Amino acid sequence: AIDLTQSPSSLSASVGDSVTITCRASRGIASGLAWYQQKPGKPPKLLIYGASILENGVPSRFSGSGSGPDFTLTINSLQPEDFATYYCQQFNSFPQVTFGGGTKVEVK
Amino acid sequence: EVQLVESGGNLVQPGGSLRLSCVASGITFSNYWMSWVRQAPGKGLEWVASVKGDGSVKAYADSVGGRFTISRDNAKNSMDLQMTSLGAEDTAVYYCARVYYYDASGPFDFWGQGTWVTVSS
Repeated sequence: AIDLTQSPSSLSASVGDSVTITCRASRGIASGLAWYQQKPGKPPKLLIYGASILENGVPSRFSGSGSGPDFTLTINSLQPEDFATYYCQQFNSFPQVTFGGGTKVEVK
Repeated sequence: EVQLVESGGNLVQPGGSLRLSCVASGITFSNYWMSWVRQAPGKGLEWVASVKGDGSVKAYADSVGGRFTISRDNAKNSMDLQMTSLGAEDTAVYYCARVYYYDASGPFDFWGQGTWVTVSS
Protein backbone atom coordinates (compact mmCIF):
# COMPACT_ATOMS: atom_id res chain seq x y z
CA ALA A 1 0.00 0.00 0.00
CA ILE A 2 1.08 3.54 -0.68
CA ASP A 3 1.29 5.66 2.46
CA LEU A 4 0.75 9.40 2.51
CA THR A 5 2.26 11.54 5.24
CA GLN A 6 0.76 14.98 5.70
CA SER A 7 2.46 17.81 7.52
CA PRO A 8 1.85 19.62 9.66
CA SER A 9 -1.01 17.83 11.42
CA SER A 10 -2.34 21.23 12.44
CA LEU A 11 -1.51 24.87 11.98
CA SER A 12 -2.77 28.21 13.20
CA ALA A 13 -3.24 31.09 10.82
CA SER A 14 -5.06 34.37 10.43
CA VAL A 15 -7.39 35.64 7.75
CA GLY A 16 -5.27 36.92 4.88
CA ASP A 17 -2.32 34.59 5.54
CA SER A 18 -0.93 32.15 3.03
CA VAL A 19 -0.63 28.56 4.23
CA THR A 20 1.06 25.53 2.75
CA ILE A 21 0.35 21.89 3.53
CA THR A 22 2.63 19.09 2.42
CA CYS A 23 1.81 15.51 1.48
CA ARG A 24 4.62 12.98 0.99
CA ALA A 25 4.01 9.70 -0.78
CA SER A 26 5.88 6.54 0.20
CA ARG A 27 6.54 5.79 -3.45
CA GLY A 28 5.93 7.28 -6.85
CA ILE A 29 2.36 8.26 -7.67
CA ALA A 30 2.95 10.44 -10.75
CA SER A 31 0.23 13.12 -10.60
CA GLY A 32 -2.38 10.86 -9.01
CA LEU A 33 -3.01 13.10 -6.05
CA ALA A 34 -6.07 14.98 -4.87
CA TRP A 35 -6.81 17.41 -2.06
CA TYR A 36 -10.04 17.64 -0.09
CA GLN A 37 -11.47 20.10 2.39
CA GLN A 38 -13.68 18.89 5.22
CA LYS A 39 -15.65 20.92 7.71
CA PRO A 40 -17.10 19.46 10.93
CA GLY A 41 -20.11 17.26 10.35
CA LYS A 42 -19.81 17.52 6.57
CA PRO A 43 -18.46 15.22 3.88
CA PRO A 44 -15.15 16.04 2.21
CA LYS A 45 -15.15 18.37 -0.76
CA LEU A 46 -12.82 17.84 -3.70
CA LEU A 47 -10.56 20.86 -4.25
CA ILE A 48 -7.74 19.72 -6.52
CA TYR A 49 -6.96 16.58 -8.49
CA GLY A 50 -4.15 15.53 -10.77
CA ALA A 51 -1.89 17.30 -8.25
CA SER A 52 -2.65 20.74 -9.66
CA ILE A 53 -6.03 20.80 -11.45
CA LEU A 54 -8.57 22.97 -9.71
CA GLU A 55 -12.01 21.40 -9.41
CA ASN A 56 -14.84 23.43 -10.94
CA GLY A 57 -16.11 26.13 -8.63
CA VAL A 58 -13.13 26.07 -6.26
CA PRO A 59 -11.67 29.53 -5.64
CA SER A 60 -8.38 30.30 -7.33
CA ARG A 61 -6.70 31.04 -4.00
CA PHE A 62 -6.32 27.26 -3.72
CA SER A 63 -3.47 25.74 -5.67
CA GLY A 64 -1.64 22.45 -5.77
CA SER A 65 1.80 21.45 -6.98
CA GLY A 66 4.33 18.66 -6.91
CA SER A 67 5.03 15.47 -8.81
CA GLY A 68 6.26 13.11 -6.15
CA PRO A 69 7.13 12.26 -3.64
CA ASP A 70 6.24 15.68 -2.20
CA PHE A 71 3.06 17.54 -3.03
CA THR A 72 1.77 20.82 -1.65
CA LEU A 73 -1.54 22.54 -1.21
CA THR A 74 -1.31 26.29 -0.90
CA ILE A 75 -4.09 28.58 0.19
CA ASN A 76 -3.40 32.22 -0.59
CA SER A 77 -5.13 34.97 1.36
CA LEU A 78 -6.90 32.66 3.78
CA GLN A 79 -10.62 33.39 4.12
CA PRO A 80 -12.86 32.71 7.14
CA GLU A 81 -14.53 29.82 5.32
CA ASP A 82 -11.16 28.12 4.75
CA PHE A 83 -10.71 27.07 8.36
CA ALA A 84 -11.18 23.34 8.05
CA THR A 85 -9.31 20.05 7.83
CA TYR A 86 -7.53 19.18 4.60
CA TYR A 87 -6.72 15.72 3.32
CA CYS A 88 -4.60 14.48 0.47
CA GLN A 89 -5.48 11.28 -1.40
CA GLN A 90 -3.47 9.23 -3.83
CA PHE A 91 -5.36 7.48 -6.60
CA ASN A 92 -2.39 6.34 -8.67
CA SER A 93 -2.92 2.80 -7.39
CA PHE A 94 -6.66 2.98 -8.11
CA PRO A 95 -8.88 1.33 -7.07
CA GLN A 96 -6.67 0.91 -4.02
CA VAL A 97 -6.57 4.52 -2.87
CA THR A 98 -5.25 5.99 0.36
CA PHE A 99 -5.69 9.20 2.28
CA GLY A 100 -3.25 11.26 4.28
CA GLY A 101 -3.80 11.80 7.98
CA GLY A 102 -5.20 15.30 7.60
CA THR A 103 -4.15 18.85 8.45
CA LYS A 104 -6.37 21.02 10.59
CA VAL A 105 -6.18 24.74 9.78
CA GLU A 106 -7.24 26.69 12.84
CA VAL A 107 -7.73 30.33 13.69
CA LYS A 108 -4.70 31.92 15.31
CA GLU B 1 -27.90 17.91 -9.57
CA VAL B 2 -25.92 14.95 -8.31
CA GLN B 3 -27.21 13.47 -5.07
CA LEU B 4 -25.93 10.51 -3.11
CA VAL B 5 -27.98 9.40 -0.14
CA GLU B 6 -26.75 6.76 2.28
CA SER B 7 -28.93 4.75 4.64
CA GLY B 8 -28.80 1.71 6.87
CA GLY B 9 -26.48 2.93 9.59
CA ASN B 10 -27.34 1.75 13.09
CA LEU B 11 -26.13 0.53 16.45
CA VAL B 12 -25.01 -3.09 16.17
CA GLN B 13 -23.42 -5.51 18.59
CA PRO B 14 -19.87 -6.76 18.14
CA GLY B 15 -19.82 -9.68 15.76
CA GLY B 16 -23.00 -8.52 14.13
CA SER B 17 -23.84 -7.60 10.55
CA LEU B 18 -25.27 -4.56 8.82
CA ARG B 19 -26.10 -3.55 5.27
CA LEU B 20 -25.61 0.01 4.08
CA SER B 21 -27.15 1.45 0.94
CA CYS B 22 -26.40 4.42 -1.26
CA VAL B 23 -28.92 5.70 -3.78
CA ALA B 24 -27.77 8.04 -6.52
CA SER B 25 -29.71 10.57 -8.55
CA GLY B 26 -28.76 13.11 -11.18
CA ILE B 27 -26.19 10.85 -12.83
CA THR B 28 -26.04 7.95 -15.26
CA PHE B 29 -25.14 5.64 -12.42
CA SER B 30 -23.78 2.74 -14.46
CA ASN B 31 -21.12 4.99 -15.98
CA TYR B 32 -19.31 5.49 -12.69
CA TRP B 33 -17.07 3.65 -10.32
CA MET B 34 -18.48 4.11 -6.83
CA SER B 35 -16.79 3.87 -3.46
CA TRP B 36 -17.32 3.70 0.28
CA VAL B 37 -15.12 5.76 2.59
CA ARG B 38 -15.38 5.78 6.37
CA GLN B 39 -14.30 8.10 9.13
CA ALA B 40 -14.06 7.01 12.75
CA PRO B 41 -14.99 9.61 15.38
CA GLY B 42 -12.32 12.31 15.47
CA LYS B 43 -10.16 10.46 12.95
CA GLY B 44 -9.18 10.76 9.31
CA LEU B 45 -10.65 9.32 6.15
CA GLU B 46 -10.24 5.65 5.31
CA TRP B 47 -11.11 4.14 1.94
CA VAL B 48 -13.20 1.00 2.37
CA ALA B 49 -14.21 -0.39 -1.01
CA SER B 50 -14.92 0.46 -4.65
CA VAL B 51 -16.93 -1.11 -7.45
CA LYS B 52 -16.75 -0.56 -11.19
CA GLY B 53 -19.72 0.82 -13.09
CA ASP B 54 -20.81 -2.56 -14.44
CA GLY B 55 -20.05 -4.32 -11.14
CA SER B 56 -17.35 -6.49 -12.70
CA VAL B 57 -14.47 -5.23 -10.58
CA LYS B 58 -14.45 -4.79 -6.82
CA ALA B 59 -11.68 -3.74 -4.49
CA TYR B 60 -11.40 -3.67 -0.72
CA ALA B 61 -9.15 -2.21 1.93
CA ASP B 62 -7.14 -4.84 3.78
CA SER B 63 -8.93 -3.86 7.00
CA VAL B 64 -12.31 -5.03 5.68
CA GLY B 65 -11.45 -7.67 3.08
CA GLY B 66 -13.26 -10.94 3.75
CA ARG B 67 -15.80 -9.22 6.02
CA PHE B 68 -17.36 -6.56 3.79
CA THR B 69 -18.95 -7.02 0.37
CA ILE B 70 -19.67 -4.20 -2.03
CA SER B 71 -22.37 -4.57 -4.66
CA ARG B 72 -24.53 -2.46 -6.91
CA ASP B 73 -27.85 -2.56 -8.73
CA ASN B 74 -27.70 -0.21 -11.70
CA ALA B 75 -31.40 -0.66 -12.41
CA LYS B 76 -32.07 0.93 -9.01
CA ASN B 77 -29.16 3.38 -9.08
CA SER B 78 -27.99 1.89 -5.83
CA MET B 79 -24.88 0.53 -4.20
CA ASP B 80 -24.70 -1.57 -1.04
CA LEU B 81 -22.09 -2.46 1.52
CA GLN B 82 -22.74 -5.69 3.38
CA MET B 83 -20.74 -5.70 6.60
CA THR B 84 -20.20 -8.78 8.75
CA SER B 85 -18.14 -9.69 11.83
CA LEU B 86 -18.28 -6.09 12.93
CA GLY B 87 -15.95 -4.85 15.64
CA ALA B 88 -15.50 -1.64 17.56
CA GLU B 89 -12.91 -0.58 14.97
CA ASP B 90 -15.67 -0.41 12.37
CA THR B 91 -17.50 2.35 14.25
CA ALA B 92 -17.53 5.30 11.88
CA VAL B 93 -19.58 7.45 9.57
CA TYR B 94 -19.70 5.74 6.20
CA TYR B 95 -19.73 7.90 3.08
CA CYS B 96 -20.74 6.92 -0.40
CA ALA B 97 -18.68 8.66 -3.08
CA ARG B 98 -18.58 8.86 -6.85
CA VAL B 99 -15.30 8.42 -8.66
CA TYR B 100 -14.33 10.97 -11.26
CA TYR B 101 -12.68 8.39 -13.47
CA TYR B 102 -10.12 9.62 -15.95
CA ASP B 103 -6.86 8.19 -17.19
CA ALA B 104 -7.63 4.81 -15.56
CA SER B 105 -8.06 6.32 -12.09
CA GLY B 106 -9.55 9.29 -10.36
CA PRO B 107 -10.50 11.19 -7.21
CA PHE B 108 -13.88 11.20 -5.50
CA ASP B 109 -15.84 14.16 -6.79
CA PHE B 110 -19.24 13.79 -5.14
CA TRP B 111 -19.99 12.53 -1.65
CA GLY B 112 -23.11 11.69 0.30
CA GLN B 113 -23.80 13.07 3.76
CA GLY B 114 -22.89 9.78 5.42
CA THR B 115 -24.57 7.22 7.64
CA TRP B 116 -23.39 6.31 11.13
CA VAL B 117 -22.44 2.81 12.18
CA THR B 118 -21.82 2.21 15.87
CA VAL B 119 -20.55 -1.16 17.04
CA SER B 120 -21.10 -1.57 20.74
CA SER B 121 -22.65 -3.93 23.24
